[in-house]
Amino acid sequence: NAGVTQTPKFQVLKTGQSMTLQCAQDMNHEYMSWYRQDPGMGLRLIHYSVGAGITDQGEVPNGYNVSRSTTEDFPLRLLSAAPSQTSVYFCASSSKGDRARGETQYFGPGTRLLVL
Amino acid sequence: GDSVTQMEGPVTLSEEAFLTINCTYTATGYPSLFWYVQYPGEGLQLLLKATKADDKGSNKGFEATYRKETTSFHLEKGSVQVSDSAVYFCALLMIKAAGNKLTFGGGTRVLVKP
Repeated sequence: NAGVTQTPKFQVLKTGQSMTLQCAQDMNHEYMSWYRQDPGMGLRLIHYSVGAGITDQGEVPNGYNVSRSTTEDFPLRLLSAAPSQTSVYFCASSSKGDRARGETQYFGPGTRLLVL
Repeated sequence: GDSVTQMEGPVTLSEEAFLTINCTYTATGYPSLFWYVQYPGEGLQLLLKATKADDKGSNKGFEATYRKETTSFHLEKGSVQVSDSAVYFCALLMIKAAGNKLTFGGGTRVLVKP
């Protein structure tokens, strides 16, 4: 299993540009999430999904869109990038059973985004 | 709401020194508690966990005990190595009807010098 994969690893955008951060998992996990990591603030939840076709907002959803058309993929879209979105983005997944047992999530390697 | 507070870094140590990173939490129920580690240039990896009071999680020489009475989950290692240099995150997971939520602390950077 590849686990949770993310692309690209690093991206530079200009203000106003759009892009999609890709996330895929091959563990057949129901739950997938997107976090952003900023210095001194830990990880904050942007959006999450409890299954294909179902998404919901997290703590900091503004400026981001998501969709979940398949179990494997959970892309994060920035429609009009802003400097405040400069961050490291992590995708995570977990199974329904793991969640019920209070287990944790599996994280991807992250995408470092710089918005100029 | 739920929250996690951990000591700010950076923490700089010499090899073989004792490491403690404090973590306290606020939650409305009985969360599961975790420590994650992030090595330079990598994503988060689960280091250890505890799912109920008085449980002790351990891995790679690190330990943490779930203390309900003090709402704490302090991370300790008796003798650190240079390879332990990383950022450490304390986190809690609440199981809720509306969906489970993982809440992170701000992270503590640890630098171990030879």
